Amino acid sequence: QSVLTQPPSASGTPGQRVTISCSGSSSNIGSKTVNWYQQLPRTAPKLLMYSNNQRPSGVPDRFSGSKSGTSASLAISGLQSEDEADYYCAAWDDSLNGPVFGTGTKVTVL
Amino acid sequence: QLQLQESGPGQVKPSETLSLTCTVSGGSIRGSSFYWGWIRQTPGKGLEWIGSFYYSGSTFYNASLESRVTISVDTSKNQFSLKLSPVTAADTAVYYCARHSYKAALFDYWGQGTLVTVSS
Repeated sequence: QSVLTQPPSASGTPGQRVTISCSGSSSNIGSKTVNWYQQLPRTAPKLLMYSNNQRPSGVPDRFSGSKSGTSASLAISGLQSEDEADYYCAAWDDSLNGPVFGTGTKVTVL
Repeated sequence: QLQLQESGPGQVKPSETLSLTCTVSGGSIRGSSFYWGWIRQTPGKGLEWIGSFYYSGSTFYNASLESRVTISVDTSKNQFSLKLSPVTAADTAVYYCARHSYKAALFDYWGQGTLVTVSS
């Protein structure tokens, strides 16, 4: 029932840059800000990025976010082993009158 | 530091009612400018928003679940609850409670989650 589309997987070697895309529509990403969540194994999701490109306190600056039109991206520069996790984008949807999440991307550090 | 903690039965029989409570500590639901909601994650699948409320009484639900969901609040106990009925095996999931901003998918505080299995 995910409204936002993400690639199922992404990978890279330590130190590489990995980018995750999130595709939506005019009723969500096209008109609302995008937030990103990191979910480590067996834990609750954690807010990683908000308002498209703002990092909460404590999130390393190697994480960055951007938005253009009805799509958004999360980039991880200088990939580290501890970045191995599932990543979800999310945005409010005016048509559904509620928040919608992405399908999730599993990042693997090779 | 705000903390949320889900509680409730870990197993529910098909056609019965799933009932969970979220206890908030380190902050108050009453008077908060935030919304409080429930999200679930089915095994191996993604995240699905169930519904949210504002302490003054405003409540809104995911249209796909609305006919089966009720969210209520007890501000005297700083708790809010989820009821889902009737349940099927498809409702087996980890259920999270979380706080979010108005008209935003900005969930800044989450509970640890609780697994509910629907099985006879």
